[in-house]
Amino acid sequence: RKEVEQDPGPFNVPEGATVAFNCTYSNSASQSFFWYRQDCRKEPKLLMSVYSSGNEDGRFTAQLNRASQYISLLIRDSKLSDSATYLCVVNRGSYIPTFGRGTSLIVHP
Amino acid sequence: DAGITQSPRHKVTETGTPVTLRCHQTENHRYMYWYRQDPGHGLRLIHYSYGVKDTDKGEVSDGYSVSRSKTEDFLLTLESATSSQTSVYFCAIRTGEQETQYFGPGTRLLVL
Repeated sequence: RKEVEQDPGPFNVPEGATVAFNCTYSNSASQSFFWYRQDCRKEPKLLMSVYSSGNEDGRFTAQLNRASQYISLLIRDSKLSDSATYLCVVNRGSYIPTFGRGTSLIVHP
Repeated sequence: DAGITQSPRHKVTETGTPVTLRCHQTENHRYMYWYRQDPGHGLRLIHYSYGVKDTDKGEVSDGYSVSRSKTEDFLLTLESATSSQTSVYFCAIRTGEQETQYFGPGTRLLVL
């Protein structure tokens, strides 16, 4: 089993839709979690950290489920500009984070 | 913007030639990383550094070497480039407080 797994997608949704991605991780000792966004031919950029109690940033909500070892990202009211690849990142407390391979989102008019 | 630049941004080279990629940061971060990204593989760690002259291997280090003689610069060298090293190379730094990584804009390398 891969250490961090994501559904590659693509998730194809209309503007205004709500879409959710999950990311599972295998190491129960994982300590910190993040979502990154990567646009085509660009570098990954930090979207948000994921806190144990869940956190929200505008239309984006991130949640952590330690019991089932997954994190989620919910995007409400999708915009065309949300089209990107979303990378899940898990840190075991070492200095080497583990990246998922990403989930592709396509928002269409 | 974490003040990370990479040079060159694009490079075309021939098999067997040496290539050096440079990562430069302006904010004195201790940890620096080199990744490659290829379709179907995601980001893979090549080497990382935890201080001046302190480096270690990642999961795909064969064929690559690194050097860090100054805090601000982390160099990645392909001693003898091969076509399998055609890729996009990203440098990253790690911030201490939140353990987050920030990436440079990337270098697109084509080995013919």
